[in-house]
Amino acid sequence: DVKVTQSSRYLVKRTGEKVFLECVQDMDHENMFWYRQDPGLGLRLIYFSYDVKMKEKGDIPEGYSVSREKKERFSLILESASTNQTSMYLCASSPRQGATDTQYFGPGTRLTVL
Amino acid sequence: QKEVEQNSGPLSVPEGAIASLNCTYSDRVSQSFFWYRQYSGKSPELIMSIYSNGDKEDGRFTAQLNKASQYVSLLIRDSQPSDSATYLCAVRGSNYQLIWGAGTKLIIKP
Repeated sequence: DVKVTQSSRYLVKRTGEKVFLECVQDMDHENMFWYRQDPGLGLRLIYFSYDVKMKEKGDIPEGYSVSREKKERFSLILESASTNQTSMYLCASSPRQGATDTQYFGPGTRLTVL
Repeated sequence: QKEVEQNSGPLSVPEGAIASLNCTYSDRVSQSFFWYRQYSGKSPELIMSIYSNGDKEDGRFTAQLNKASQYVSLLIRDSQPSDSATYLCAVRGSNYQLIWGAGTKLIIKP
């Protein structure tokens, strides 16, 4: 089974803090994604990566950055957390090759910025 | 702007009945389509994927794809209370991305 893990289930931070969200997958997937999910807005793509050290902006990259130094690990960084970044953050991975583009999700991190 | 549209619901269905969830998409060249289920407070999990026109069955679930009309649907037979969740439709976009609908909340009434 594909396993995607995220460093924290719940996180509370203060405005202005630098926040790191970590994601690790164990299936040797090339592609990794960071989403945020807010009520009524569905899943919105923040950044994705299709290879080590590669990154692409998604639909809402402002206020975020990412790092992918190793294939299995994809980090989301909030440089200076703000209250409007309070959300559920979901990491996903998918294989590049093959007929399927199925994305597998981690359990999510519910971030609250006070 | 490529879009995936779903009725937000909630869709209320009696236990044992067929639940029908619908999704339309705007990009005619899309080739891969997915249904995910998301329980409250949990992350999405894949239920079905479909790539060709027609029906694909997996247990109580049937995905239907009509590329000419640009819609994909999910039927759940013999609905159970445990099927109560939000169902997300996703369509493959460019660069391995998926374009997501906002989801339909399904409630199965005992």
